[in-house]
Amino acid sequence: EVQLVESGGGLVQPGGSLRLSCAASGFTFSGSWMHWVRQAPGKGLVWVSRINGDGSTTNYSDSVKGRFTISRDNAKNTLYLQMHSLRGDDTAVYYCARQSVRYRFDPWGQGTLVTVSS
Amino acid sequence: IQMTQSPSSLSASVGDRVTITCRASQTIIYLNWYQVKPGKAPKVLIYAASTLQSGVPSRFSGSGSGTDFTLTISSLQPEDFATYFCQQSNSTLSEYTFGQGTKLEI
Repeated sequence: EVQLVESGGGLVQPGGSLRLSCAASGFTFSGSWMHWVRQAPGKGLVWVSRINGDGSTTNYSDSVKGRFTISRDNAKNTLYLQMHSLRGDDTAVYYCARQSVRYRFDPWGQGTLVTVSS
Repeated sequence: IQMTQSPSSLSASVGDRVTITCRASQTIIYLNWYQVKPGKAPKVLIYAASTLQSGVPSRFSGSGSGTDFTLTISSLQPEDFATYFCQQSNSTLSEYTFGQGTKLEI
């Protein structure tokens, strides 16, 4: 079964850091572009970042550029999102997703909640 | 590219036919539709505007091209009450923009 499972969310103070993980199984992880998407409480989905199969290409939304770093460990079939200088507007459920044929995101993980608050 | 989705919310009954629209600010090629339920992984329903994702019931359909797209649910089932998002993908520009979402309520 193709599956993604996120972990690492939690409560963090403004200015703090957190690292999210996304464990992949059931597909050739190293051959897939991977993405992070977030959804703030009561809001819509917002794309955050992407990385190519070997980790040599990364892209970020303007709202997280310079603060977040996406990476992957293909030996461990795991995707990461290192988040620094966290702000209140970073509070959201963070999803990882695989980019599939025709640029659809499939599958997605169930999400991990990040709350930035003092 | 901006994606404008409407309506933002919709009340309907089991058995109803429902249509959600998504308009792009410029011509796009790849348009996908997702279903999101609280606490669950989002799920792709339709990709490339009109291709039904494997395993998705045939009551879901997508149409459109250029800037105007629709998602139609032909006969609502209880499990369809959820929030739906359209998404355009432009890999060259690293743009993956979602619509604002449509909350479908009983």
